[in-house]
Amino acid sequence: NAGVTQTPKFQVLKTGQSMTLQCAQDMNHEYMSWYRQDPGMGLRLIHYSVGAGITDQGEVPNGYNVSRSTTEDFPLRLLSAAPSQTSVYFCASSTDRARGQPQHFGDGTRLSIL
Amino acid sequence: AQKVTQAQTEISVVEKEDVTLDCVYETRDTTYYLFWYKQPPSGELVFLIRRNSFDEQNEISGRYSWNFQKSTSSFNFTITASQVVDSAVYFCALSHQNTGNQFYFGTGTSLTVIP
Repeated sequence: NAGVTQTPKFQVLKTGQSMTLQCAQDMNHEYMSWYRQDPGMGLRLIHYSVGAGITDQGEVPNGYNVSRSTTEDFPLRLLSAAPSQTSVYFCASSTDRARGQPQHFGDGTRLSIL
Repeated sequence: AQKVTQAQTEISVVEKEDVTLDCVYETRDTTYYLFWYKQPPSGELVFLIRRNSFDEQNEISGRYSWNFQKSTSSFNFTITASQVVDSAVYFCALSHQNTGNQFYFGTGTSLTVIP
């Protein structure tokens, strides 16, 4: 069972380039989210989705776009990469059928912006 | 406002010592959920435990135990007889009944167990 799969695992971009981080889950979870992890700041929520066709902003959404066309996939787009977006990105999913369920995380994407 | 505070940034212990990781939370909701996750050096996030606001019973799982106290808004995590494999960053997180599955994470505590 794959769980939450993120690709790529590592990426280096130049300032101004665009990129899409992929996230897929095979658990039929309604809820999916993206976090970034920076030293000393824990994980901060970027965007989330409660189901196909529905997305909303989290704590740090600026510079990122998302879409949710299927239950399985939740890609994160950087439209014009900036050095401040250098971080480790985690995708997570959970069932929304009951509140307070643990989130299942992918292995992360380490992104460096030069 | 929702907030999770892990005041201990880094802790080092010698193997076989006991260690407690502190977590203090703030919320105005009466129904909420608390979690601990472990992030080993390999980087993945591993779910350890979930507790809801109506269940203040402490829990023990092997060498791990959790102490939930609503009176002090704390959800502390104790590792007994620590081992080198316990070296990791540990995150405490909070979610609410009214905000679905949005998680609010603390900044994490980096635990190093010295052999």
